[in-house]
Amino acid sequence: ELKVEQNPLFLSMQEGKNYTIYCNYSTTSDRLYWYRQDPGKSLESLFVLLSNGAVKQEGRLMASLDTKARLSTLHITAAVHDLSATYFCAVVSGNTDKLIFGTGTRLQVFP
Amino acid sequence: SAVISQKPSRDICQRGTSLTIQCQVDSQVTMMFWYRQQPGQSLTLIATANQGSEATYESGFVIDKFPISRPNLTFSTLTVSNMSPEDSSIYLCSTRTDLSYEQYFGPGTRLTVT
Repeated sequence: ELKVEQNPLFLSMQEGKNYTIYCNYSTTSDRLYWYRQDPGKSLESLFVLLSNGAVKQEGRLMASLDTKARLSTLHITAAVHDLSATYFCAVVSGNTDKLIFGTGTRLQVFP
Repeated sequence: SAVISQKPSRDICQRGTSLTIQCQVDSQVTMMFWYRQQPGQSLTLIATANQGSEATYESGFVIDKFPISRPNLTFSTLTVSNMSPEDSSIYLCSTRTDLSYEQYFGPGTRLTVT
């Protein structure tokens, strides 16, 4: 059974600082997704990672995938308050489009 | 891309009643998925809705409790039956088009059961 773990669960960071969120999964998967969720809102797609060594960047966020280690990271550079949200990673189960989600990381950026 | 709409956006229901949630996609898609997000929790897949066949349910979810319809390639419904307060959650539908690996989510239906 595919399991997805995220850490930390909660992250409080100062503006301007850097930090990394980790996403580990238990079995081989073809695709990994990162989503952002603001309070009371649906999911906003951030990245889709398809292959080993994939790296994608958008603004202050950069995601990478190591399929051999079954690990993805979401790196935050010079955090700003607008990045405050909950971030989820999700992994495709088998040869399907079914997503297994991590626990989520609630990010709070303060001045 | 795919634009997904859901109705209703929110509802407050009494225990023992049922609510049907609608999901509409602006393009034809093969599979549609229904997820549940309990308060303060992550998302859990309820079932996969395929057009022309029975929905496939994940462990812990049963058809009697969450009947699903998929009458065509752009529409699906999820019914939450015989509701209890434990069913209070956000219910989201999701899909992927054949054009990319992006998986899109609807705006969600926030259900409160009293």
